[in-house]
Formats: sequence, C-alpha cells, structure tokens
Amino acid sequence: EIVLTQSPGTLSLSPGERATLSCRASQSVRISYFAWYQQKPGQAPRLLIYGTSNRATGIPDRFSGSGSGTDFTLTISRLEPEDFAVYYCQQYDRSPLTFGQGTKVETK
Amino acid sequence: QVQLVQSGAEVKKPGASVKVSCKASGYTFTRYALHWVRQAPGQRPEWMGWINAGNGNTQYSQNFQGRVTITRDTSATTADLTLSSLRSDDTAVYYCARGDNNRWYFDLWGRGTLVTVSS
Repeated sequence: EIVLTQSPGTLSLSPGERATLSCRASQSVRISYFAWYQQKPGQAPRLLIYGTSNRATGIPDRFSGSGSGTDFTLTISRLEPEDFAVYYCQQYDRSPLTFGQGTKVETK
Repeated sequence: QVQLVQSGAEVKKPGASVKVSCKASGYTFTRYALHWVRQAPGQRPEWMGWINAGNGNTQYSQNFQGRVTITRDTSATTADLTLSSLRSDDTAVYYCARGDNNRWYFDLWGRGTLVTVSS
C-alpha cells in the first residue's frame, strides 16, 4: 500500500498570503495518477487537481499542482477567505487508492 | 442537475450489516465508475472499492477482508454498498463518489451517509 504523508499538519496564514502544501509518497507515483481535494467541515471532499497539475472544472487558477515521483505540492497563490479548509492528497496509481492525512489551512 | 444522492443515516449493532444507497442523476450512469469512500471522525478518507457501472465489474480494498459488496442497478441508476460484520470502528461517514473508469480520481461526491455502530 502506498502511504501518503502530508506536511505541515497545520498551516496558519492570512488572506492574501501564499500557501504551499506538500505530500510525500512511500513509493513512486506516476504523475497522471495524483490528485488533491479540499474539504470543509460537514462537507464532502471537492476535487481541485487531478493528474498532478490539471485543475478540475470550476477551480480558480490560484490553485496549482506540481511534482513527480514521490514528492508533490499544492500551491495556493493568494489565499481567499473561502480557501481555509483541510486539503488531502490522493494517489490512484495502485490499489488500494490512498489519501494523505490532511493539511489544515487556518486563519492566522 | 448532476448529482449523487445518498440514503439516510443508519444506526447498527456490532455484527450486523448495513446497506447504503447512492442514486445518480444528470449524467449517463453507465459511462462512469462509482466508488465508496469512508471517513471516520477526524480521520483521512479511506477507499473501500468501486464498481464499473457499465459492466458491473468490481474491485475491493483488501483492508476490508471480504466484508464489502458493491452492486449497481442500471435501470434505477443506483449503486449500493453493503458492509457486513460491523464493528464500532466502522462508525464513519460513507460517501459514494464518481470516477472515470480508467483514472480513479473523484469529480462528483454524494453528501455522505453517517453510519453509527453501537451496542
């Protein structure tokens, strides 16, 4: 099973600041098989990025993804108030599909 | 409207089984896969398995040791998850989520169904 480890656990930032979230995989993941989700309390996760760097439909361009091999990054260029949430990475390269433990982006 | 609508909350005793339903609408049901993902309180999502809504093929996570069954009804455009031999640590919100048949990221999610296992 591919284990995904996200860092940091919590990111305390102000609106307008840049957020950089990391996800490290225990084995190499092909770039077409990596995604990021946003989750707010009481809601289902929402797809942000698939295939490492492709924004899902309706996702603003302040969200971007990058990476390869075992190291992947989600960047939010300028935080908007609605971006404060928990973010999960996911690999779908090998079964079982797995998720990271999440990074909470909170207001400083 | 493209959506997945799930059945309501359930309370079950240890050892029982639970069935959670997911009704798809607004898209061609048989062109996509439906996955089941659960999330215990404060935990990361956990993938359980998926069904190809077109041909009915399934694949399950080994982490559930044969306790999971996923079925679909193409005429009703529904997919059902059955989890058996329930334990207290199966208490979680269970989500159905739509995926491509070849790329298993999830672009559409149901709102979730809370399953509570308690004696």
